[in-house]
Amino acid sequence: GENVEQHPSTLSVQEGDSAVIKCTYSDSASNYFPWYKQELGKRPQLIIDIRSNVGEKKDQRIAVTLNKTAKHFSLHITETQPEDSAVYFCAASNGNGGSQGNLIFGKGTKLSVKP
Amino acid sequence: KAGVTQTPRYLIKTRGQQVTLSCSPISGHRSVSWYQQTPGQGLQFLFEYFSETQRNKGNFPGRFSGRQFSNSRSEMNVSTLELGDSALYLCASSLDDPGDEKLFFGSGTQLSVL
Repeated sequence: GENVEQHPSTLSVQEGDSAVIKCTYSDSASNYFPWYKQELGKRPQLIIDIRSNVGEKKDQRIAVTLNKTAKHFSLHITETQPEDSAVYFCAASNGNGGSQGNLIFGKGTKLSVKP
Repeated sequence: KAGVTQTPRYLIKTRGQQVTLSCSPISGHRSVSWYQQTPGQGLQFLFEYFSETQRNKGNFPGRFSGRQFSNSRSEMNVSTLELGDSALYLCASSLDDPGDEKLFFGSGTQLSVL
């Protein structure tokens, strides 16, 4: 089955710097790659997603890149702010059975943005 | 539109007992998935239901089961509880339309097994 590795497990940056989180996946059939942000004590919330037919997607300060050949994808946050501090999870799904409900998650990256 | 609702918010059980958790998806969402979240293992996929049928299943023992009702509401059951079952159980729903696969999570049920 699918396996998703996420690095680093913790990341500390200064406010205004960029942050990059990387994930690799094992199943070449995976075609959907979302990123979730989970603040302390709250539910995971989708911040950006990308499908396998797209190499890059950007939404304001957040961007995701996908390299299908190498089977890895990355989250880039520019001009970080203290409110970006949270745990970020990458995930992958192959839409098995016609669904994306069987997301396989990485173990998460705890991002701390220091003012 | 109301979000994904999970009840109860907290549960305390003892080893050997069984527990049932409930999830009401966003109105119109037909797919419901369940995840177990622990500090060491992150988010682990339990199972997914669509149209009252289990469509996908993760690598959890048979003590973990679920079902979905005709109104898309879902329940998850864990029998013969073990200490290691202590975790946050998250439910997520999806519209499950082609090109719109976004999962929306509930706030979870925090289960403590003593």
